[in-house]
Amino acid sequence: ETGVTQSPTHLIKTRGQQVTLRCSSQSGHNTVSWYQQALGQGPQFIFQYYREEENGRGNFPPRFSGLQFPNYSSELNVNALELDDSALYLCASNPAAYNEQFFGPGTRLTVL
Amino acid sequence: DQQVKQNSPSLRVQEGRISILNCDYTNSMFDYFLWYKKYPAEGPTFLISISSIKDKNEDGRFTVFLNKSAKHLSLHIVPSQPGDSAVYFCAASANFGNEKLTFGTGTRLTIIP
Repeated sequence: ETGVTQSPTHLIKTRGQQVTLRCSSQSGHNTVSWYQQALGQGPQFIFQYYREEENGRGNFPPRFSGLQFPNYSSELNVNALELDDSALYLCASNPAAYNEQFFGPGTRLTVL
Repeated sequence: DQQVKQNSPSLRVQEGRISILNCDYTNSMFDYFLWYKKYPAEGPTFLISISSIKDKNEDGRFTVFLNKSAKHLSLHIVPSQPGDSAVYFCAASANFGNEKLTFGTGTRLTIIP
C-alpha cells in the first residue's frame, strides 16, 4: 500500500510569485488536509477537503487555496508569495470518519 | 493563542529508562488526542491516540495518559530506545478526530546510549 506522497520535495521561489504543491493521498483515503510548519513550530492547519469540497479552513488568507480531484489527489496553491510563507508544507490523508491522519514527507518551500 | 502546549522543548533520557513527554491544552472542546513522532526530512508518523472517554491507552512500549480535569496528557515510553530519538508532537481535535488537528510546538527527545 502506497503512503501519502508529495511533490516537489524542495522549491525555491521569489516574493510575489505563485506556487503549486501536489499531494497524492493514501489509497482509499477520501479526506485530505494541508498544514504549514514553520521552523521551530508545530504544523498549523490550512484547510481540509472531503470529496472535492472544502471541509474546514484555518486562519490563512485567501491567497492560500486548494483543490481535491476525483482520485482524491490534491493541490495547494499560494499566490503573491511572502517571505513568511517559507515553511514545510505537509499533506495528510485519512478515510472519512477515521480519527488518525497520515502525513506525507512534506514540501520545503523557500521564498527569497 | 496556543491551544496545545508542550512546555519542554527538549528532553534527554538514558537508554532503557522511562521517557515522559507532557502536553497541556486549553480548549474544552477537544475530545481526541494524538501523539506523532517526526524524524528529520520526514512527515509526522502517527504513534498513539486517546479519546476523552478514556484516561489511558497502551500500545506496546507507549502509553498515553489523559487527565481531563487538568487538561493534561502525557506520553510514556518504556523502555526508551535509541530509535526513539525524534521530535514528538502532541495534537488535539474536536468531534473525535473528524476535524483539523491542532498541534503543540513539539519536544525533541534524545535517547542517550
